[in-house]
Amino acid sequence: DAGVIQSPRHEVTEMGQEVTLRCKLISGHNSLFWYRQTMMRGLELLIYFNNNVPIDDSGMPEDRFSAKMPNASFSTLKIQPSEPRDSAVYFCASSPYERSTDTQYFGPGTRLTVL
Amino acid sequence: DQQVKQNSPSLSVQEGRISILNCDYTNSMFDYFLWYKKYPAEGPTFLISISSIKDKNEDGRFTVFLNKSAKHLSLHIVPSQPGDSAVYFCAATRSGGYQKVTFGTGTKLQVIP
Repeated sequence: DAGVIQSPRHEVTEMGQEVTLRCKLISGHNSLFWYRQTMMRGLELLIYFNNNVPIDDSGMPEDRFSAKMPNASFSTLKIQPSEPRDSAVYFCASSPYERSTDTQYFGPGTRLTVL
Repeated sequence: DQQVKQNSPSLSVQEGRISILNCDYTNSMFDYFLWYKKYPAEGPTFLISISSIKDKNEDGRFTVFLNKSAKHLSLHIVPSQPGDSAVYFCAATRSGGYQKVTFGTGTKLQVIP
């Protein structure tokens, strides 16, 4: 059974450009998380969806970031315009339930570099 | 404000010895704690967890200890193996429905053969 799939794996772009990161959940999972990993702050939750509905977006840095879940198995995270400080590894994770104690299954991540 | 802190960015241990990874938290409302392991170019994977009603949980070579009064937990790996070389993230949350899981910055463990 395929795990969480993310694309692209690497993205290099110039400041001001739009970036779209993609995530496919594990089949049957109904919770979706987007995280950002940096050396200074570790793994930070950006946004959480349950049954395609955004539940917690308190971690979204600012209006330049937006996330959607157009169907039960797919999500996008968009940064527009991108800035050098957005350079990080972005992970999405899915979980079968919405309990915080449930295991989250992470994708391999997208390494974003904004020049 | 870092509510979950892993103060050691890295740790080196000889194969066969014990590895001890430490984690401190500041939010007294946290009652469930998790450890995730991450290899390069992969996402984190769940390793072991503990509820605040316990002070120890063991799974094979991995044991997590919780000291609620000190707001401190530790992960023990005995014996350490080269395949354990990875970044270990400590995480904390509140149980019951959805609650945000707060991760630390990670500790990179290197097990030397």
